[in-house]
Amino acid sequence: GIQVEQSPPDLILQEGANSTLRCNFSDSVNNLQWFHQNPWGQLINLFYIPSGTKQNGRLSATTVATERYSLLYISSSQTTDSGVYFCAVENTGGFKTIFGAGTRLFVKA
Amino acid sequence: DVKVTQSSRYLVKRTGEKVFLECVQDMDHENMFWYRQDPGLGLRLIYFSYDVKMKEKGDIPEGYSVSREKKERFSLILESASTNQTSMYLCASRLRTQGALGYTFGSGTRLTVV
Repeated sequence: GIQVEQSPPDLILQEGANSTLRCNFSDSVNNLQWFHQNPWGQLINLFYIPSGTKQNGRLSATTVATERYSLLYISSSQTTDSGVYFCAVENTGGFKTIFGAGTRLFVKA
Repeated sequence: DVKVTQSSRYLVKRTGEKVFLECVQDMDHENMFWYRQDPGLGLRLIYFSYDVKMKEKGDIPEGYSVSREKKERFSLILESASTNQTSMYLCASRLRTQGALGYTFGSGTRLTVV
């Protein structure tokens, strides 16, 4: 099956710093999505981005489907950005979603 | 505000007990999912359901079963709880046509089996 690898596994930032999170996947996918899990466990959709680039405020994401990777950019990080960021892909069969292991981010005040 | 509600936030059960985790969604979604989240492993799919009374095994179904008698409710059952089932359990739902974009997650149930 498809393998999804995220890096780095852990990241500590000073408030105001920028960061890039990476997601590599091993095969062609239908969909790709980034989620943020807050410290209370709630998973929130960030981007649905099977290809191209999208921006939402301080966050942006780029997926290069032909090279099988996606990047999530966080600029001017804030303490509320802390949590775990997951990349998830959907296989070309159309139903199964595979999650990466996540990047745990801690932003220090 | 649409939501997925999991019945318990924290649960402590004894080894060998039968455990029910309940999930209810109010969005009329066809698809519902149960995931298990463990450190370093991300979310792993236990079972999913296309629609009422339908169910499919995910990647790690052993030791679990599910029930979907009504569209809005998807129950995860641990037939005989074991300590290796201590984990965070997440329920999700989505519309059939929306793909990954349509996922809505519950807040999770942190289960400890002692």
